[in-house]
Amino acid sequence: GEDVEQSLFLSVREGDSSVINCTYTDSSSTYLYWYKQEPGAGLQLLTYIFSNMDMKQDQRLTVLLNKKDKHLSLRIADTQTGDSAIYFCAETLAFSGNTGKLIFGQGTTLQVKP
Amino acid sequence: ETGVTQTPRHLVMGMTNKKSLKCEQHLGHNAMYWYKQSAKKPLELMFVYNFKEQTENNSVPSRFSPECPNSSHLFLHLHTLQPEDSALYLCASSQDTRDNTEAFFGQGTRLTVV
Repeated sequence: GEDVEQSLFLSVREGDSSVINCTYTDSSSTYLYWYKQEPGAGLQLLTYIFSNMDMKQDQRLTVLLNKKDKHLSLRIADTQTGDSAIYFCAETLAFSGNTGKLIFGQGTTLQVKP
Repeated sequence: ETGVTQTPRHLVMGMTNKKSLKCEQHLGHNAMYWYKQSAKKPLELMFVYNFKEQTENNSVPSRFSPECPNSSHLFLHLHTLQPEDSALYLCASSQDTRDNTEAFFGQGTRLTVV
């Protein structure tokens, strides 16, 4: 079935690294995404990783994918107060006739303390 | 400015009312989506339109009726809603429905059914 799970809350101190974890169930996922939602705003795509990769780095963001365990993580280095938001993990299921369906996790609220 | 604009931002309606949510994208995309974001639940895909044609209805009750008159506009017509329909309704667009296509989200309409 289609299921994406995340822990609901993470609190870190400014300057520390944050690691947000996600597990998914469908091994046919082709792309896995991290979205960020700030208060009162829509979802903003942060980064994504193709399922044949195990790591992707983009400035302060590092995405790790363990396809065997169906585990995805987002590491934010030097976390800032502006990183406080809800982070959503999402997967895309590839199936004939209608690709592009995103399945989202519940979202992890990241609280960054000064 | 995300390129995807939703109106209204907030809506309070009674269970016997009829109202419509509007979404407009200025990105030249061909695919548009409605998502529902309820508290403590994952984002749920409701409808997908590709080139103005509905390609997915994710078992959404008939009290929600989408309309896509052209690739730039998407509506969600609401009638005889229930209190449990109160949620944040997010519109998104993407170039197409392929699974490596970035989806851009609007800020959402916060709907309260009383």
